[in-house]
Amino acid sequence: AQTVTQSQPEMSVQEAETVTLSCTYDTSESNYYLFWYKQPPSRQMILVIRQEAYKQQNATENRFSVNFQKAAKSFSLKISDSQLGDTAMYFCAFMKPKSKTSYDKVIFGPGTSLSVIP
Amino acid sequence: ETGVTQTPRHLVMGMTNKKSLKCEQHLGHNAMYWYKQSAKKPLELMFVYNFKEQTENNSVPSRFSPECPNSSHLFLHLHTLQPEDSALYLCASSQEGGGLSTDTQYFGPGTRLTVL
Repeated sequence: AQTVTQSQPEMSVQEAETVTLSCTYDTSESNYYLFWYKQPPSRQMILVIRQEAYKQQNATENRFSVNFQKAAKSFSLKISDSQLGDTAMYFCAFMKPKSKTSYDKVIFGPGTSLSVIP
Repeated sequence: ETGVTQTPRHLVMGMTNKKSLKCEQHLGHNAMYWYKQSAKKPLELMFVYNFKEQTENNSVPSRFSPECPNSSHLFLHLHTLQPEDSALYLCASSQEGGGLSTDTQYFGPGTRLTVL
């Protein structure tokens, strides 16, 4: 069974600084997808970034980038130039591809609470 | 703005009540999901519907009954719940379809459920 671990329950960062959130996962699959989701206090879950395991290039979305180490099964999120609006819970998630007998199932990590300090 | 709406946003019910949660997606997606988010626990997938067919029931108690009348609407009917069922219930949708593809899930704002 797949598992997702986020070892940092809480983190804080000064505004405009850079912070890295860690995520590790366990799977025997070779093809899969990884996501970072953000859940602000308003509770709306928002997709931050997505990475296909077959791609070696790390995904980037504006101030958000990932460090994907497939052999180490590590998928960390780097937030550059942190803003107050980045304060939220961040969830790392794993999805194995759909097959004839199973459909997409996303496994979420426990989350990291990030606080951006003015 | 995500295209997935949920009503009500907050619900308080007694253990003998019957209520329903509603989810609607305006994204033209074919798959819809119910998740449960309890305090200090990872999100738990409850049900998956693809093209109105239930394809996943993740060992959810029968006091939770899903209904998917069409690809845009998903309901979660609740009856004789327990206090431990209090949680945030999130709906999500994804493109899905018949091919071997994996699509991003888009979430609604959730319904905060409190069972007294």
